[in-house]
Amino acid sequence: AQSVTQLGSHVSVSEGALVLLRCNYSSSVPPYLFWYVQYPNQGLQLLLKYTSAATLVKGINGFEAEFKKSETSFHLTKPSAHMSDAAEYFCAVTTNTGNQFYFGTGTSLTVIP
Amino acid sequence: ETGVTQTPRHLVMGMTNKKSLKCEQHLGHNAMYWYKQSAKKPLELMFVYNFKEQTENNSVPSRFSPECPNSSHLFLHLHTLQPEDSALYLCASSQESPGPYGYTFGSGTRLTVV
Repeated sequence: AQSVTQLGSHVSVSEGALVLLRCNYSSSVPPYLFWYVQYPNQGLQLLLKYTSAATLVKGINGFEAEFKKSETSFHLTKPSAHMSDAAEYFCAVTTNTGNQFYFGTGTSLTVIP
Repeated sequence: ETGVTQTPRHLVMGMTNKKSLKCEQHLGHNAMYWYKQSAKKPLELMFVYNFKEQTENNSVPSRFSPECPNSSHLFLHLHTLQPEDSALYLCASSQESPGPYGYTFGSGTRLTVV
């Protein structure tokens, strides 16, 4: 079975500051890892994904994430926060043979002007 | 537009009403999912359909009844709901298994049970 832990249910950063959202996973087989963003009263939108190619993955809106097998982590970063980045962020894991995702509990990002 | 369309976007219903949520995708996906998202809680997987067959029922109460007439359409029939069923209901689709492709989500239906 797989699972995901997102450390920090709420993160606040100043506009222009580094964004770091943490995700650790558990999987007995090679994982596929995803980050999704959710704006209020919207569905989840794919930000980026790791599927066993490059360990540093670039996504939309300037976000990127690095897969670190030794640390079982897939943290999401953005060099400079923008007000429009304020949203809920979800990390998720699945595998090549899995039939569902396992989501983390989400991290709410607030950007302070 | 994400490729997965959910209607209605908002629904208010009494505890004795019967209503249905609709989800439609034309992405060529063969798997469809219902998720429940409540405030302050993790996403809860409710049902999984692969090629129109239900492959997962995550101990969902019988007052929620899914229907998948074809790979492009998914319904969630609701009857005699409780106030705690108020939530955002999300539909998603994917290839046969999520694998490296991930889900495509709809915008959700905000359900309020009064």
